[in-house]
Amino acid sequence: GAGVSQSPRYKVAKRGQDVALRCDPISGHVSLFWYQQALGQGPEFLTYFQNEAQLDKSGLPSDRFFAERPEGSVSTLKIQRTQQEDSAVYLCASSLTRGHGYTFGSGTRLTVV
Amino acid sequence: QQQVKQSPQSLIVQKGGISIINCAYENTAFDYFPWYQQFPGKGPALLIAIRPDVSEKKEGRFTISFNKSAKQFSLHIMDSQPGDSATYFCAASAMNRDDKIIFGKGTRLHILP
Repeated sequence: GAGVSQSPRYKVAKRGQDVALRCDPISGHVSLFWYQQALGQGPEFLTYFQNEAQLDKSGLPSDRFFAERPEGSVSTLKIQRTQQEDSAVYLCASSLTRGHGYTFGSGTRLTVV
Repeated sequence: QQQVKQSPQSLIVQKGGISIINCAYENTAFDYFPWYQQFPGKGPALLIAIRPDVSEKKEGRFTISFNKSAKQFSLHIMDSQPGDSATYFCAASAMNRDDKIIFGKGTRLHILP
């Protein structure tokens, strides 16, 4: 596609529920990133893939967060046993290769109730 | 420790005026300094970026000024228009090491018609 596509756009989860957020990067983009953006804040880095390899997961806030990109294209961010503090917009971005600027998707707004 | 500090938090400018947003960074390994523009409900979009080997970069009405010794950089929006009303994020990355981009907390800009 022309841009980075994320789904769903909105997700409401009950506390304790597991959620899965999907990211379709721009075709051919090698690098893929996940960011978390709390209300009124800047995006904060979660994790980074180069093709299917997860090269950096230092930003994942707890072991309840897990990301994968098994075939080097689509990526899924999974959050287990959601908590209220997980409520945020989750942004996915991709870039052609290292050293190029990111293109962000519109994000998934997760609300945990 | 906040690696990229941005000010002001919010800014109101008359149409036709100059909008100025400032950022400071700590990590001397940073070698790429982008600015992102974000509209409500959308992901951040790359506006303009600079590398530390130049002191200024201009693209249309947008100019980045960079002061390497002071570890500061700023965005100037000339002839500000109501359509420029958005949240602006400065950011920094050590592209020679990884592609992780560290964002500032953002400046909410409102241009009065």
